[in-house]
Amino acid sequence: AQSVTQLGSHVSVSEGALVLLRCNYSSSVPPYLFWYVQYPNQGLQLLLKYTTGATLVKGINGFEAEFKKSETSFHLTKPSAHMSDAAEYFCAVAGASWGKLQFGAGTQVVVTP
Amino acid sequence: DTGVSQNPRHKITKRGQNVTFRCDPISEHNRLYWYRQTLGQGPEFLTYFQNEAQLEKSRLLSDRFSAERPKGSFSTLEIQRTEQGDSAMYLCASIDGLGDGYTFGSGTRLTVV
Repeated sequence: AQSVTQLGSHVSVSEGALVLLRCNYSSSVPPYLFWYVQYPNQGLQLLLKYTTGATLVKGINGFEAEFKKSETSFHLTKPSAHMSDAAEYFCAVAGASWGKLQFGAGTQVVVTP
Repeated sequence: DTGVSQNPRHKITKRGQNVTFRCDPISEHNRLYWYRQTLGQGPEFLTYFQNEAQLEKSRLLSDRFSAERPKGSFSTLEIQRTEQGDSAMYLCASIDGLGDGYTFGSGTRLTVV
């Protein structure tokens, strides 16, 4: 079984500042890990994923995440926030068989000028 | 590749009525997933198919919900005798066998009045 905990339901960052969204997971099998972004009344867009190989994963829009097995974490970062980054972000985990995807509760990001 | 298509985008129905949603996955994607998302929450897994076989169904899913994928292409999700608590966004996702990740549609927003 898998589960995801996202620390902080709301994060406020200044434009140009570092964005850091925290995600910890629990999985009984080697995990596949994902970050998705959701804009109001839209579906989910994949930012990045980790399956195997390099633990530092780069995604779209300047985001990256690092898989740390010892810490069971997959935190999402972006060096410099842009106004267009205001959205809800979801961390998710699946098993290596590509079964169901288990989501965290989400983190709402607000970007202030 | 036109992405995952969901219809309708919005549905308003009276309590007690039946509703059916359709999902057209990306062509040749053999797995198809249904999720439900309520306001301020992460998507919740409902069920998934590999080709026409329903491989897993959430224990949280009442018997008023049924999903089909008769020819292994599009899928339908039916809710019988709708209740106000069924109001949510219903999301569909698909994947291929190559590990590119779960691609989501824009969702169907159901409002039960």
